[in-house]
Amino acid sequence: QKEVEQNSGPLSVPEGAIASLNCTYSDRGSQSFFWYRQYSGKSPELIMFIYSNGDKEDGRFTAQLNKASQYVSLLIRDSQPSDSATYLCAVNKDGNNRLAFGKGNQVVVIP
Amino acid sequence: DVKVTQSSRYLVKRTGEKVFLECVQDMDHENMFWYRQDPGLGLRLIYFSYDVKMKEKGDIPEGYSVSREKKERFSLILESASTNQTSMYLCASSPRTAYEQYFGPGTRLTVT
Repeated sequence: QKEVEQNSGPLSVPEGAIASLNCTYSDRGSQSFFWYRQYSGKSPELIMFIYSNGDKEDGRFTAQLNKASQYVSLLIRDSQPSDSATYLCAVNKDGNNRLAFGKGNQVVVIP
Repeated sequence: DVKVTQSSRYLVKRTGEKVFLECVQDMDHENMFWYRQDPGLGLRLIYFSYDVKMKEKGDIPEGYSVSREKKERFSLILESASTNQTSMYLCASSPRTAYEQYFGPGTRLTVT
């Protein structure tokens, strides 16, 4: 089993809709969870982090964590064309300072 | 704001050349990381360092070495560049007591 899995293919959403991205992880000892946004040709940018079960909201972004089911999700409300990017899920690797990254999900917001 | 800078945005080198990629962070972070990113393979950790003069191998260290002589600077060295090292190289840093990593702009290296 991969450490972090993001299985969905490219996600196309109309402008103004909600984009929903999911991520599962294998290490039950993980405590810290991150979402990065990466525009084409650019480096990853940290947009959200969550440590506790439940929801965390920041502007149009909501991160949701369910440790019992070992998944973390990202909702983007009122999607804008500027949200078109690849979103990477990252989870700390138990016992050290490393992060395990998923391969990312591409989001395309259609005007 | 955390700032991580990398010495070059684009670099073209010939097979067999020795290549130096430099990364500097200005936030006094203890941890620094070198990744490469390739289509379909995602981010892969090459080496990381949690203190000056300390280094740890990541998942794909073969063909690479690193140097950390100062806290703010972490260098990646390709001893003898090969075409399969053509990639986007990303440096990141994080504080000792937190996991979130901040990335530099990346260096797109082409080895011909």
